[in-house]
Amino acid sequence: GAGVSQSPSNKVTEKGKDVELRCDPISGHTALYWYRQRLGQGLEFLIYFQGNSAPDKSGLPSDRFSAERTGESVSTLTIQRTQQEDSAVYLCASRRTGESNQPQHFGDGTRLSIL
Amino acid sequence: KNQVEQSPQSLIILEGKNCTLQCNYTVSPFSNLRWYKQDTGRGPVSLTIMTFSENTKSNGRYTATLDADTKQSSLHITASQLSDSASYICVVSAVDNNNDMRFGAGTRLTVKP
Repeated sequence: GAGVSQSPSNKVTEKGKDVELRCDPISGHTALYWYRQRLGQGLEFLIYFQGNSAPDKSGLPSDRFSAERTGESVSTLTIQRTQQEDSAVYLCASRRTGESNQPQHFGDGTRLSIL
Repeated sequence: KNQVEQSPQSLIILEGKNCTLQCNYTVSPFSNLRWYKQDTGRGPVSLTIMTFSENTKSNGRYTATLDADTKQSSLHITASQLSDSASYICVVSAVDNNNDMRFGAGTRLTVKP
């Protein structure tokens, strides 16, 4: 497809389990972002990848959160030892370049529910 | 304190009516301001981008304005349709920092028949 694809679309898991969320950006897009969106709230920045540069991890809320990106393609966001406050929609966005005049293209997110 | 404030938090209007959403920001130095539409259960989609030199820009029934002096932007929706029901998010980018984007909390618009 032509858009950003995220999987799974929904994930329900028990507290304490690890989860892995996947993002397939638009082909050729060098910039990739992860955001968290709690119910009824705005987007919280988590992490930013730009080409082969070191990622900007300044938004990760704790060391339980980590993310990787293989070159300029797939990215995975991993949450270890999940807590109930991790319940949210996790959105991924890609951008053709890192320049802010380019729009971000968002996936439809992964809705994560921690029981 | 969030550097991008949107108002109202939520809004209900009747189909066919117009409405205006507001975005005030303190992000500096300013690069651009973008409005996104987020349908329920979907990711945000860009509607329009405003740069420092632009005062108004239209995209169909959506018209965005920018006053860089007062650091205010508005999104005006004309002749609303049921499909306009969504959250509208204002995002302001700072100059020379490709990751310095500040997101507003959004305005939740409901259009009723």
